[in-house]
Amino acid sequence: ILNVEQSPQSLHVQEGDSTNFTCSFPSSNFYALHWYRWETAKSPEALFVMTLNGDEKKKGRISATLNTKEGYSYLYIKGSQPEDSATYLCAFRNDYKLSFGAGTTVTVRA
Amino acid sequence: DGGITQSPKYLFRKEGQNVTLSCEQNLNHDAMYWYRQDPGQGLRLIYYSQIVNDFQKGDIAEGYSVSREKKESFPLTVTSAQKNPTAFYLCASSRGEAGVGYNEQFFGPGTRLTVL
Repeated sequence: ILNVEQSPQSLHVQEGDSTNFTCSFPSSNFYALHWYRWETAKSPEALFVMTLNGDEKKKGRISATLNTKEGYSYLYIKGSQPEDSATYLCAFRNDYKLSFGAGTTVTVRA
Repeated sequence: DGGITQSPKYLFRKEGQNVTLSCEQNLNHDAMYWYRQDPGQGLRLIYYSQIVNDFQKGDIAEGYSVSREKKESFPLTVTSAQKNPTAFYLCASSRGEAGVGYNEQFFGPGTRLTVL
């Protein structure tokens, strides 16, 4: 099982503030890095699938960057809103499957 | 609406009994997966299937079994050999071959299994 680390485990952010958190993964044999958002009582939903070093992806106020050489990805939330409260999972593609991190749980306070 | 359904949402079983969790998708996806979630841990892969009539063990397959007789269905059986079966189980599917890994996975709502 590959070691995919996410930090911090949880964070609280004031509505309107921006925040970011990290996913670390093995830097060798890179194929793809996935980000998912998992809201309470819902199913995880894909945010981004990233494959190229230096890749940047954006969806609304959420964006992600990728550094495959050093093995990390950042997820950014700009101007956090209560609906951004969720657990954000990253997953590293290894061989024919994904290895998931434990997630970063974001709570946005109004 | 296309999607993945899992049933039941909550399941209680006595220790020593086998139990089967259902997973159905109407997304026409070739690949399907079963994950287990325990508190404080990431999703861990139990089994996956890239195509009908074929499946492979994931990282924690011991005590579990699966079948893939139809493209739409990928049931998971939790056997009495699974030492700690109480957990949240998620089913997922994706387009194309599982090996590509470039395709996002679509998840079902999950089944919470409690073994008494």
